[in-house]
Amino acid sequence: DGGITQSPKYLFRKEGQNVTLSCEQNLNHDAMYWYRQDPGQGLRLIYYSQIVNDFQKGDIAEGYSVSREKKESFPLTVTSAQKNPTAFYLCASTSPNRGWTEAFFGQGTRLTVV
Amino acid sequence: GENVEQHPSTLSVQEGDSAVIKCTYSDSASNYFPWYKQELGKGPQLIIDIRSNVGEKKDQRIAVTLNKTAKHFSLHITETQPEDSAVYFCAASEAGTALIFGKGTTLSVSS
Repeated sequence: DGGITQSPKYLFRKEGQNVTLSCEQNLNHDAMYWYRQDPGQGLRLIYYSQIVNDFQKGDIAEGYSVSREKKESFPLTVTSAQKNPTAFYLCASTSPNRGWTEAFFGQGTRLTVV
Repeated sequence: GENVEQHPSTLSVQEGDSAVIKCTYSDSASNYFPWYKQELGKGPQLIIDIRSNVGEKKDQRIAVTLNKTAKHFSLHITETQPEDSAVYFCAASEAGTALIFGKGTTLSVSS
């Protein structure tokens, strides 16, 4: 089945540590996105990439970094510079064949700083 | 950049009633308006979308309307059922740009 896989589902991190969230898709989509979800805040865009080896900052990129070395993969690193990293992180992808519009989401990773 | 406002933040209805969620957007260049449903602990799923060249779209009990002049779009759910209970998000984008989401509406349908 085609889809987006995020791992792990739950992640715990100590303060001061970097942590990387995985996102893999087998939909052959060109564009991938990372959103952060907090209660009552909706989904806020962190980073997105429309092509391999290229990515753009979203509205809340500070304290995060990404890479796009393969079309299928778009990992997100939450660095120690992110002051409030506890949140639900969602990865999505779209295809230019559908006008870059219909976004498919993974099941999310819940990150908790302990 | 685009800004999407969504109302209400919570909505409680009785089973069989209709539910309406409204969104406004700021960027007149936006031309794609999807609605997503998110169940607890899961990723959002697309339930219906509308493009700017269409004023209304319907899929069984769900419909979306778009007023480009006023920059408003709305989700209408008729004959609500308990399984419609979830968080609903509207979003807007221009082709080639990332979706910008509203803050969500928690819909509760009681039987």
